Amino acid sequence: DSGVTQTPKHLITATGQRVTLRCSPRSGDLSVYWYQQSLDQGLQFLIHYYNGEERAKGNILERFSAQQFPDLHSELNLSSLELGDSALYFCASSVTAGASSDTQYFGPGTRLTVL
Amino acid sequence: GDSVTQMEGPVTLSEEAFLTINCTYTATGYPSLFWYVQYPGEGLQLLLKATKADDKGSNKGFEATYRKETTSFHLEKGSVQVSDSAVYFCALNSGGSNYKLTFGKGTLLTVNP
Repeated sequence: DSGVTQTPKHLITATGQRVTLRCSPRSGDLSVYWYQQSLDQGLQFLIHYYNGEERAKGNILERFSAQQFPDLHSELNLSSLELGDSALYFCASSVTAGASSDTQYFGPGTRLTVL
Repeated sequence: GDSVTQMEGPVTLSEEAFLTINCTYTATGYPSLFWYVQYPGEGLQLLLKATKADDKGSNKGFEATYRKETTSFHLEKGSVQVSDSAVYFCALNSGGSNYKLTFGKGTLLTVNP
């Protein structure tokens, strides 16, 4: 158990809908990262928050957004869903704002299926 | 940009066999290197890491050495067990303007009794 929690574990929805994925980092960790894992793209970085502020964006679509709240939990919002958004979404946390040597601890993931 | 290339599987071994999974990278600066493991139905777990050239990371019998001259970080284990069956990901973090992990495509390892 990494100490990172994600809810829900599974999500099944229809095209065009909007969903929210939730992540709680390990106690004491200030950074939250979101990654998408799909069969064709592999593991791709989406976005990084540190202590409530957005720090970096990766291959995140404009239909996707995220935020980190004062209690440090984070939410990833996916809207106007398409079939291709079906994937496993991971949240990871680390202690600092970012040092390349930091270990990122991953949650169990949310499996999104868009029908 | 940063990239990681690891040998594509699947890799199938018998119990107690020697394991090598090759990983090479391209990065700016001096990245930190990681191996993560994903067991079926679970998230990624850090297996080991190395943060500078010639460092050796080790954990649970697995080892990998950061080779700057060959830009490699190959994973090895002397005697695999059935419980080592999983997907293994090589990754790097080069810092800079963001601290994302860049992953290889993963290698599926199956160990048969």
